[in-house]
Amino acid sequence: AQKITQTQPGMFVQEKEAVTLDCTYDTSDQSYGLFWYKQPSSGEMIFLIYQGSYDEQNATEGRYSLNFQKARKSANLVISASQLGDSAMYFCAMRPSVTGGGNKLTFGTGTQLKVEL
Amino acid sequence: EADIYQTPRYLVIGTGKKITLECSQTMGHDKMYWYQQDPGMELHLIHYSYGVNSTEKGDLSSESTVSRIRTEHFPLTLESARPSHTSQYLCASRGDGANVLTFGAGSRLTVL
Repeated sequence: AQKITQTQPGMFVQEKEAVTLDCTYDTSDQSYGLFWYKQPSSGEMIFLIYQGSYDEQNATEGRYSLNFQKARKSANLVISASQLGDSAMYFCAMRPSVTGGGNKLTFGTGTQLKVEL
Repeated sequence: EADIYQTPRYLVIGTGKKITLECSQTMGHDKMYWYQQDPGMELHLIHYSYGVNSTEKGDLSSESTVSRIRTEHFPLTLESARPSHTSQYLCASRGDGANVLTFGAGSRLTVL
C-alpha cells in the first residue's frame, strides 16, 4: 500500500519569496509516479508537476520544481517567486507504475499555502 | 478550458432524495475516476472505470453507484441521500499511457 505524508497543514510566504512544501511517501513499488496538484478555493484540481521514479533529473515546470530525493522518499515542491495567486491548497500524490499501468492515485492531506504582501 | 465537465457544481437537497452527478469528458479517455473530498481533507477514490461497461469500487467504501455506458460519460448516483453524503465529488480521467489525471471542477453536495 502507498502512503503520502504532508506534515505542514499550513504555510505562509511573502510575495516574491520561494517556498518549499514537504512531501514524503512510502511504497514498496520500484516504479511509481509522483504528482503535485493545486486546489484553489473554487475546488478544481490543477496539475502542476510530475516526477517518475526512474527520472534522474528533478522535474521543473516554470516556477515549480520538484526536489526528488529517492533514498529519503521525499518529493518536495518548490515554488519560486511566489505570487498572490499561488494561495491555495497543495496536494502531493503518488501512483504505482511509471508507465501508465496502476490505477489508483493516492493523495496526501494537503498543505494550505497563503501568500502575503 | 475544461475538457471534463461536471454538473451540477453545487447541489443542496433533502434527505432521502435520489441524485445523479454528471461527468463528461471530450478527450476520448478510457479511464475515469470519482473521488470524494470532505472540506479541507484529502481525496479518496470511490469508483473507477477502465472503459465502457467496466466499473470498480475504489479504496473508500461508498453507497453511491456508477455506470459507464459511453466512453465520455461516467455518472454517479446516490439512491437515497443522507447528511453523511455531504462532500465534494471530483471526477477525473486519464488517457492510455498518460500519467496525469485531468480533473473536473467538482460537484459540491450538501444533504440537509
